[in-house]
Amino acid sequence: EVQLLESGGGLVQPGGSLRLSCAASGFTFSSYGMSWVRQAPGKGLEWVSRIDDSGGSTNYADSVKGRITISRDNSKNTLHLQMNSLRAEDTAVYYCVRGWGWVDSWGQGSLVTVSS
Amino acid sequence: EIVMTQSPATLSVSPGERATLSCRASQSVSSNLAWYQQKPGQAPRLLIYGASTRATGIPGRFSGSGSGTEFTLTISSLQSEDFAVYYCQQYNNWPRTFGQGTKVEIK
Repeated sequence: EVQLLESGGGLVQPGGSLRLSCAASGFTFSSYGMSWVRQAPGKGLEWVSRIDDSGGSTNYADSVKGRITISRDNSKNTLHLQMNSLRAEDTAVYYCVRGWGWVDSWGQGSLVTVSS
Repeated sequence: EIVMTQSPATLSVSPGERATLSCRASQSVSSNLAWYQQKPGQAPRLLIYGASTRATGIPGRFSGSGSGTEFTLTISSLQSEDFAVYYCQQYNNWPRTFGQGTKVEIK
């Protein structure tokens, strides 16, 4: 069974930083592109970033470009999202997801709240 | 960026009835279109990819159609567990983009 378990969310002040991690299991992690998708409270879904299976190719939404970095450690089956210069509008549940076209597996989500 | 527009925003349907949800892309996405279902407090679940291919474990009452810019998700006979929000998403271009969602509620 595919499992994606996010960690690292929480409350952070505007301008602060946070690093999300996602522990993957139940599949060959190094064979899949991975992504982060977020959902602001009561709102729709936004694709934030994606990374290919080797970690050699990444893409970012314009709303986070220059502030967020996606990375992966295939030796540890782990996906990361380093978030800097956080803004109130970054407040959302962040989902670790398998896939970089369509998403066939989702984590349970990690809430990031940016507030003073 | 490709804008995905879903209609209607809310669909009121009685159990057992058919539901038809629409999704329109601002430019062609070929058949690179997925549908997801989301229930309150849960992560979304993949229903359809490739515009018409059901994901593993998805019941046959869910079907997708369309290509280019016009897509449809049909639920042939609504069950109680189908009342949820549905999102379409294109994966033809980066950034991947979602529609704003259609809420299917009990009539």
